[in-house]
Amino acid sequence: AQSVTQPDIHITVSEGASLELRCNYSYGATPYLFWYVQSPGQGLQLLLKYFSGDTLVQGIKGFEAEFKRSQSSFNLRKPSVHWSDAAEYFCAVVNTGGFKTIFGAGTRLFVKA
Amino acid sequence: NAGVMQNPRHLVRRRGQEARLRCSPMKGHSHVYWYRQLPEEGLKFMVYLQKENIIDESGMPKERFSAEFPKEGPSILRIQQVVRGDSAAYFCASSPSGTLSTDTQYFGPGTRLTVL
Repeated sequence: AQSVTQPDIHITVSEGASLELRCNYSYGATPYLFWYVQSPGQGLQLLLKYFSGDTLVQGIKGFEAEFKRSQSSFNLRKPSVHWSDAAEYFCAVVNTGGFKTIFGAGTRLFVKA
Repeated sequence: NAGVMQNPRHLVRRRGQEARLRCSPMKGHSHVYWYRQLPEEGLKFMVYLQKENIIDESGMPKERFSAEFPKEGPSILRIQQVVRGDSAAYFCASSPSGTLSTDTQYFGPGTRLTVL
C-alpha cells in the first residue's frame, strides 16, 4: 500500500536560515509527489509537484524539492526562510488511478527571529 | 474566479445530531474530493465524486457518513448521529478532471466540526 512518512513532527529554524523538510514515500510504481502548505485555519495550497522528468522541481514562494528514487525521498528545501513561511507542510502522493491523494502527517515549521 | 467554497466554516453539534457540510467547487470543476483532518494529523481521503456519481468512497466510514454531488448545487457531506470522534476539520477539493497526476486539486478553507 502507498504511504508517506514525514519523520519530523515539527522543526524550528531561524529567519534567513536554510530549510529542508523530509519526506519518504512507499509506492510500487512511478510516484506522483506533491508538497502542500497549510496556514493556521486555512485550506491547503500546492507548493510544487513532481510527475516525471527533471528530479529537481521548482515551486512557488522560493521552494524546491528533489526526487530521489534510490532513497524514496522527496525533500522540500528553501535557501532562506522568511517568518511568513511558518505553517504546516504536507507531503503527498497520488495513487495509481490518479485521484486518491495520500498525505503524510505533516511537519509544522516554526520560524524564530 | 472564486475558489472552492465551503460552508459553514464552523459547525457545532451535540452528540446524536446530524451535520451537513457543503462544498461548492471552482467554476468548471466537476470533480470533488472530501478529506478529514483529525487534530495533529494529516488529511485522510474520504470520498471522490463526479457530478451525480460516487467514484470512490473507500475512505468513508461504513456507517453514518454519506456524500453526494447532485447535478445542480453543491456537494454535501452528511454525518448522521454524530459522535465526539467525528470532531475534525473536513476539507473539500475540486479539480477539472479526475486525473491528479496531470491536474491540480484546489482546496477549500475547510469546515471545523465540533461535537459536544
